[in-house]
Amino acid sequence: DTGVSQDPRHKITKRGQNVTFRCDPISEHNRLYWYRQTLGQGPEFLTYFQNEAQLEKSRLLSDRFSAERPKGSFSTLEIQRTEQGDSAMYLCASSPEIVQETQYFGPGTRLLVL
Amino acid sequence: QQQVKQSPQSLIVQKGGISIINCAYENTAFDYFPWYQQFPGKGPALLIAIRPDVSEKKEGRFTISFNKSSKQFSLHIMDSQPGDSATYFCAAPNTGTALIFGKGTTLSVSS
Repeated sequence: DTGVSQDPRHKITKRGQNVTFRCDPISEHNRLYWYRQTLGQGPEFLTYFQNEAQLEKSRLLSDRFSAERPKGSFSTLEIQRTEQGDSAMYLCASSPEIVQETQYFGPGTRLLVL
Repeated sequence: QQQVKQSPQSLIVQKGGISIINCAYENTAFDYFPWYQQFPGKGPALLIAIRPDVSEKKEGRFTISFNKSSKQFSLHIMDSQPGDSATYFCAAPNTGTALIFGKGTTLSVSS
């Protein structure tokens, strides 16, 4: 069982550009979560999917952020018109249906907005 | 929104000593309290978790103690090793299924 994978691992972009991150959950995990982590802080919840349905979104998820999980497998997180405040580690986690509260995290995508 | 308060912010322990990290929560949708370990540049890794039908859970050198009446839970690392040096996060469920994390404790184990 391979773990949660994320791509890219690092992204440097200029302010105003759009970026897209991908997350591949552990196979057969029906729940997928996105979190954001800034330096010296714990992960903060952004949104989660059960299969292809996006069931919950945090107030942190501004209009510039959009997430999809079109076939209930991998997910993408897009940030439009990036701002310097978007610089953070973006973490993906997944959990199995049987033990839904147990979340396994990927290695994260480190975003730096210049 | 639920808050999780974690202390201390940093901790220095000698090799072989006991590391203790504490967390307090407010309200939870359901009872499940995990601890995550994170090394620099890596994602958080699930270390140990408790469902409070028991007040204590032990896995190897790691023990979670839980007190439902005071809404507190703690992580004890016995015989701390330099390889345990990392940041530790406690978490608690929010109203949905999302986890609310504490701010983290940076543990340094000196050899």
